[in-house]
Amino acid sequence: GNSVTQMEGPVTLSEEAFLTINCTYTATGYPSLFWYVQYPGEGLQLLLKATKADDKGSNKGFEATYRKETTSFHLEKGSVQVSDSAVYFCALSDRLNFNKFYFGSGTKLNVKP
Amino acid sequence: EAGVTQFPSHSVIEKGQTVTLRCDPISGHDNLYWYRRVMGKEIKFLLHFVKESKQDESGMPNNRFLAERTGGTYSTLKVQPAELEDSGVYFCASSQELGGETQYFGPGTRLLVL
Repeated sequence: GNSVTQMEGPVTLSEEAFLTINCTYTATGYPSLFWYVQYPGEGLQLLLKATKADDKGSNKGFEATYRKETTSFHLEKGSVQVSDSAVYFCALSDRLNFNKFYFGSGTKLNVKP
Repeated sequence: EAGVTQFPSHSVIEKGQTVTLRCDPISGHDNLYWYRRVMGKEIKFLLHFVKESKQDESGMPNNRFLAERTGGTYSTLKVQPAELEDSGVYFCASSQELGGETQYFGPGTRLLVL
């Protein structure tokens, strides 16, 4: 079946620290992979995506590479800011089932000045 | 272009009452999805409409939940009667026709059943 596992939070970092949020998946078929972000009081926003193995998604300084061999899609940012404080969700899209999404449990990131 | 909107943003009801959530997708998006996040856990799929037809409702918890999509535009999700375990955040998302993988999410409706 399909599932997504991401590291539990909260993750607390100081401003300008390096960020990694781990995400691994199991899937039937060949899914696309996504990171969504939910800022306080807001809805889910697409952060980045990758549609095939070895693709790298990037946006706002965040990056994630689709690793088929390790079934992973870890989110990284070289230097976090206070404004990056949010909940981050890893997700896969089941192309065999009308792109139904499977999400991880979310990782809350707190960035302190 | 307006994004996905949901109403209400919050709802507090008592056990046994009825609540109706509404979602307005992005104009022209044929696919509409409902998801739910309970108690800080993962966001789980509830159902999927293609235009006005239910494509997949495998995630609906039980027959207390009824979803409709009138004329292929907005959608409603009714919970009747509500139970304590229905509390959570209900998200709606929409995407373009087949091949449009990226889903655009609304802000969610936070439901609390007391």
